[in-house]
Order: sequence, then structure tokens, then C-alpha cells
Amino acid sequence: DAGVTQSPTHLIKTRGQHVTLRCSPISGHKSVSWYQQVLGQGPQFIFQYYEKEERGRGNFPDRFSARQFPNYSSELNVNALLLGDSALYLCASSLARTGVLLGADEQFFGPGTRLTVL
Amino acid sequence: DAKTTQPNSMESNEEEPVHLPCNHSTISGTDYIHWYRQLPSQGPEYVIHGLTSNVNNRMASLAIAEDRKSSTLILHRATLRDAAVYYCILAPFGGSQGNLIFGKGTKLSVKP
Repeated sequence: DAGVTQSPTHLIKTRGQHVTLRCSPISGHKSVSWYQQVLGQGPQFIFQYYEKEERGRGNFPDRFSARQFPNYSSELNVNALLLGDSALYLCASSLARTGVLLGADEQFFGPGTRLTVL
Repeated sequence: DAKTTQPNSMESNEEEPVHLPCNHSTISGTDYIHWYRQLPSQGPEYVIHGLTSNVNNRMASLAIAEDRKSSTLILHRATLRDAAVYYCILAPFGGSQGNLIFGKGTKLSVKP
């Protein structure tokens, strides 16, 4: 079975530009979360989407936005890129099974998109 | 904040057991204890999780203290492939809280 896939794998942008990152969850998974991982740190939560609705948002500026499509895939958009946005962006999906509350559900992570802002 | 405390790094010899500790003194009754690991150049990988009782799976065992203020991830026989950063995470259940709050984790080195 295919795991979580993300595209592109690597990306180089310049300051002020816009970027769109894409994520395809594991088939049947309805919840998608996005994380940012700066070198040497643990991943930091950005967004969670469940059934196409935003369910949670981390402490990130409004330059960051996301959406989930009817097929449960997701996009993360970042506007007006800053040097500090350089990081590994991770997508994770989970089943969010009925009756199992979201917090206890195992999350499956993709390999990430490495974004470099020059 | 991460709400868990882990040693920055640990070393182990190959084929020996490894005990990775985690303190979570402010844990609430609805917090699950999750462990993830991240191998170099990969996304995090689920290892195990539990609520109150000790748990075993094919990858590891999770020993949870009776007061739930600490836990230990046990790798029974470390292999070189187990070299990774291990994250202990409290994941509350309910409502919109489906996210994971990662700390810096414990970097495990395995020596041949």
C-alpha cells in the first residue's frame, strides 16, 4: 500500500515568493495535518484538516494557509516567503476512525518537502 | 510547549536492550502517551502509544508508571537501524486536538 506522498521533494524559492506544497494521504484516511521542522528541532504543528474542515491551527502567521480537497488530499500555501520559512514541511494522515477520538489516533508521516528560501 | 522531558542523547550497543525515559509530570487523565521516532532524512514514524497499561508491539514495549508521570520506551534488542531521534508526546483526545506537540526528543546512537 502506498504511504503518505508529498510533492515536490525539494524546492528552492526566493524571499517574497509564494509556494504550494501538496500531500496525498493514505487511502481511507480523512485527517491530514501539516508540520514544519526546522533543522535540529522537532516538528511543529501548523494545521489539521478533517473532512475538509480546519480542525486545528498552530502558532503560525496568516501567510500560512491550507485546504483539503474532496479526495482528502491537501495543499499548504505559504505567501511572502521569509528566510526563516526554510524548513522540512511534513504532512501526516490518520484514519480518525469513528469512536476513536482524534488525539489517540496514529499518524502516518510522509517524507516531507524540503523548502529552501534564498 | 512539549509537556515532556527527555534526555538529549543516549548511546547503546547493538543487540542490547535500550530504555528511553520520558517524564510528563503534568499529564492529564485524558492524555495518551505516544512515541514516534525519526530516522535521518525521513518523516517521523509511529512506534507505540498507551494510556495506563503497559503496551507491547512488534517494534517496542511501553512501560507506564503507575502515577502516569513517567514512561519508558523499551527496545528489546537495538539494531543499527534503530539509530534515530525518539519523541515522547502527550496527545490529548477530544474535539479539535488531533495534533502532536513534539519536543526535541532523544537522539539514540547505536554502536556496532
